[in-house]
Amino acid sequence: DAKTTQPPSMDCAEGRAANLPCNHSTISGNEYVYWYRQIHSQGPQYIIHGLKNNETNEMASLIITEDRKSSTLILPHATLRDTAVYYCIAVSVRTDKLIFGTGTRLQVFP
Amino acid sequence: DAGVIQSPRHEVTEMGQEVTLRCKPISGHNSLFWYRQTMMRGLELLIYFNNNVPIDDSGMPEDRFSAKMPNASFSTLKIQPSEPRDSAVYFCASSLGQGLIDTQYFGPGTRLTVL
Repeated sequence: DAKTTQPPSMDCAEGRAANLPCNHSTISGNEYVYWYRQIHSQGPQYIIHGLKNNETNEMASLIITEDRKSSTLILPHATLRDTAVYYCIAVSVRTDKLIFGTGTRLQVFP
Repeated sequence: DAGVIQSPRHEVTEMGQEVTLRCKPISGHNSLFWYRQTMMRGLELLIYFNNNVPIDDSGMPEDRFSAKMPNASFSTLKIQPSEPRDSAVYFCASSLGQGLIDTQYFGPGTRLTVL
């Protein structure tokens, strides 16, 4: 399974867009990019996933580069409640393993 | 829907005691997963079931850990005997599909402290 690399922490002002990068340079063609987040002490929460195309839902947008070696999760208007650890995970259809890394700790400030 | 339900939310026990954690997945979901989270090791998959059958238990740390899923609406994770290094938050998750590739919905977790 492809390893993902994320910055350990980021800050974002409330109301601004939060752009969280993820590097997955060894991702294979049958691996999806999934994003989950974990708000303090709660269980992880699914945000969004994609394979090749950019995706958008009510929570966020996912931008995947054409070569699929990196992606960016965008929270368009961050709120204080978006303060959490965000995990980028490469999930293989073949092995089906959901392997959490250390994630990015996003702090949204007023 | 009530989501994934876990009990107890907190458990404090003494070393050597048996501990049983419980999970009720979302109704209609076919897959169930047990995870453990510690500061040192992060979030680790322990075992997952598909249609009540254990599929991958390679993450179970040792023989002291066992998991069962007697029916589609209930699963247990048992530690016998418990040790202080088992202290962690244990999460249960379920998904609709037939494997890990599907979106997983996590419960609130059980915080276990072994003294």
